[in-house]
Amino acid sequence: DTGVSQDPRHKITKRGQNVTFRCDPISEHNRLYWYRQTLGQGPEFLTYFQNEAQLEKSRLLSDRFSAERPKGSFSTLEIQRTEQGDSAMYLCASSRTEDPGDYGYTFGSGTRLTVV
Amino acid sequence: DQQVKQNSPSLSVQEGRISILNCDYTNSMFDYFLWYKKYPAEGPTFLISISSIKDKNEDGRFTVFLNKSAKHLSLHIVPSQPGDSAVYFCAALEGYGGSQGNLIFGKGTKLSVKP
Repeated sequence: DTGVSQDPRHKITKRGQNVTFRCDPISEHNRLYWYRQTLGQGPEFLTYFQNEAQLEKSRLLSDRFSAERPKGSFSTLEIQRTEQGDSAMYLCASSRTEDPGDYGYTFGSGTRLTVV
Repeated sequence: DQQVKQNSPSLSVQEGRISILNCDYTNSMFDYFLWYKKYPAEGPTFLISISSIKDKNEDGRFTVFLNKSAKHLSLHIVPSQPGDSAVYFCAALEGYGGSQGNLIFGKGTKLSVKP
């Protein structure tokens, strides 16, 4: 098992452009989460999926953000019309539904987005 | 308003001594509390957790204590090693058991263990 993979690791984009990030969770994990982390803060919840169903979205997830998890495997997070305030580390995590408290969520290494 | 608070941004400890990282929370409905360690340019790594029905959980050099009446938990690392130097995040799990399940993180405490 290679853990949670995120691609790309770094992305620099001009303001107003669209960007898409990909996350491949651990294969037997049916829950997948997206978090955002800015400097000096802890990760903040954006959204999560159980299999292919998006079950919850944070109020941080404006209408410029969209996430998908087709077929309940990998997930993509798209940001349209990027703004400088979107610059952050975007983290993906996965877990089994049954025991996230006991075993925690497994996080990927993140995608660092810089909007210039 | 922050539901999970880590009031010490940094902590410096001598190698071999005990490191104590503290965390306070406001929501009595949290079911689980978790500690994560994060190195620069990496994602957080799960360390240890504790259920709200327990007051202590131990795993090797790491022990977490929970005081529900004070809404306070702490992570003890004994003995501390230079490789423990990282940012430690306290997190709370809301709605365990199939409802929400998202983690709420504190801002982190940067631990430096000096040789």
